[in-house]
Amino acid sequence: DTEVTQTPKHLVMGMTNKKSLKCEQHMGHRAMYWYKQKAKKPPELMFVYSYEKLSINESVPSRFSPECPNSSLLNLHLHALQPEDSALYLCASSQLNLVSYNEQFFGPGTRLTVL
Amino acid sequence: KNEVEQSPQNLTAQEGEFITINCSYSVGISALHWLQQHPGGGIVSLFMLSSGKKKHGRLIATINIQEKHSSLHITASHPRDSAVYICAVRPNYGGATNKLIFGTGTLLAVQP
Repeated sequence: DTEVTQTPKHLVMGMTNKKSLKCEQHMGHRAMYWYKQKAKKPPELMFVYSYEKLSINESVPSRFSPECPNSSLLNLHLHALQPEDSALYLCASSQLNLVSYNEQFFGPGTRLTVL
Repeated sequence: KNEVEQSPQNLTAQEGEFITINCSYSVGISALHWLQQHPGGGIVSLFMLSSGKKKHGRLIATINIQEKHSSLHITASHPRDSAVYICAVRPNYGGATNKLIFGTGTLLAVQP
């Protein structure tokens, strides 16, 4: 299995809702990433998990709460979002070699619309 | 000035044409990605390069580390190649993280 899967593909939520995005990989990768991508812009890194521990938080608002319950699964919990949070949310994973760079594999994304 | 610059920003080609997309970067890097994203879709990694040249089907990617430049070539282009092509580099700074710096992308439209 050489792919990263994300669910749901599309999500519409109100500003008072609580929802979660899910990402899964079975490549044995120990680093997992959340990116946010607005239309016609490159992806922006949000969070990185290394060995199931949060290693990078790019000053993301607390209404986004990541969770890595095991080495294959990454969640992004959403609460009290704003319309400007509407975007494509991409998950990626990679091996974790502290000496050299490891290629990131991207999922298909979740298209989020906040009303 | 962005650390990763791509040109052109937009490109329209006729089916069958040879296409070149360029990427220049200003930082030392350990690797460079070429990524493809279809409209509204996720990202597919086409190549990861740290030196030389790679070929996959009709796609060829080259990198010149000394000149800090990479090119993506598409031979015999086809309408299904229409997508955004993104160059992303892994800078030498940043320690053990795998953080990438992304270019702003090149929107390619191949007309039949």
